[in-house]
Amino acid sequence: DTEVTQTPKHLVMGMTNKKSLKCEQHMGHRAMYWYKQKAKKPPELMFVYSYEKLSINESVPSRFSPECPNSSLLNLHLHALQPEDSALYLCASSGTGLYGYTFGSGTRLTVV
Amino acid sequence: AQSVTQLDSQVPVFEEAPVELRCNYSSSVSVYLFWYVQYPNQGLQLLLKYLSGSTLVKGINGFEAEFNKSQTSFHLRKPSVHISDTAEYFCAVSPMDSSYKLIFGSGTRLLVRP
Repeated sequence: DTEVTQTPKHLVMGMTNKKSLKCEQHMGHRAMYWYKQKAKKPPELMFVYSYEKLSINESVPSRFSPECPNSSLLNLHLHALQPEDSALYLCASSGTGLYGYTFGSGTRLTVV
Repeated sequence: AQSVTQLDSQVPVFEEAPVELRCNYSSSVSVYLFWYVQYPNQGLQLLLKYLSGSTLVKGINGFEAEFNKSQTSFHLRKPSVHISDTAEYFCAVSPMDSSYKLIFGSGTRLLVRP
């Protein structure tokens, strides 16, 4: 299995909702990432988990809450988002030395 | 700190013509170099990477790139493009002393016309 699977593919949520994005990989990668990508822009790093511990938080607002339940799963909990948070959210994973840095196909999030 | 510059925001080209997408980078430490492709409404797919060794790197879908350390460039080339190559292409670098960071350029949209 050489894929990173993200669910759901599309999500529409209101500003008072709580929702979660899920990411799963079975490549044995020990680093997992969340990126945010706005239209016609490159991906921006949000969080990095290394060996199931949060190692990098790129000053992301607290309305985004990451969670790594185990080495194969990565969640992003969303609460009280703003319309400007609408974007493509990408999950990625990597092994040692950036061999096999793999992206998922993303979740298209719309906040209304 | 690192930065990546892709000067061309869009490159139009006719089918079966050659293409070069330019990438220049700046870094105070040695870096690994990558090219990714993103088709509409999809994630990023790795085209090729330079980690060490030969400066000419061959990737998937007939693409290749050449690392030029003196010019700090990593240009992507394909000798003959297809309509299906129409996509957004991102150059990225990762500092060797912090392999978790991937710094992207602003992207180049390759538009292949019949």
